[in-house]
Amino acid sequence: SAVISQKPSRDICQRGTSLTIQCQVDSQVTMMFWYRQQPGQSLTLIATANQGSEATYESGFVIDKFPISRPNLTFSTLTVSNMSPEDSSIYLCSVPLESVETQYFGPGTRLLVL
Amino acid sequence: SQQGEEDPQALSIQEGENATMNCSYKTSINNLQWYRQNSGRGLVHLILIRSNEREKHSGRLRVTLDTSKKSSSLLITASRAADTASYFCARVNTGFQKLVFGTGTRLLVSP
Repeated sequence: SAVISQKPSRDICQRGTSLTIQCQVDSQVTMMFWYRQQPGQSLTLIATANQGSEATYESGFVIDKFPISRPNLTFSTLTVSNMSPEDSSIYLCSVPLESVETQYFGPGTRLLVL
Repeated sequence: SQQGEEDPQALSIQEGENATMNCSYKTSINNLQWYRQNSGRGLVHLILIRSNEREKHSGRLRVTLDTSKKSSSLLITASRAADTASYFCARVNTGFQKLVFGTGTRLLVSP
């Protein structure tokens, strides 16, 4: 198993500002995933963060808006840049269990943009 | 859309009753999984069923998979108030390594 923590757990931000979300894992993992869950919706994968290389973004998500860092095998950050109310969501990080097929999820960061 | 469809969107039952949730998808899959999310928090992995399996059990959970109909169901027997949560199916499509989540079912179990 893995223990995953996220900071902050929630935040209220003004439009036009940026927020950096941290994800810490208690073991070394090669891949980390960042998801967005808009209010009342399902999860959508933003990007896959690999240590030592640039993140791989899904269609509809760009690095300028969601820059990701992966400085080591236990830590990653996701920044939500130049925020607008449409960015109000829960942002979750996850890591693979025994294989990439199943994942452990962090508790999420609930973001409200005014 | 790549997302799977789940029905019902919301389900309200009494404690002790069974809850059945369905998930449909459009592509071929390696496996299908079910996750639970309590009150907008992180997801918890419940059960995985592979494409060559038809049924799987884990405690009060029973999952079925019909690849010919591209559908799966999750049955929770003898439900409890603590089962109140949102339930998502997620699949790994053949040839890919990413999870694709369904639209989710919100389950409310009343005491």
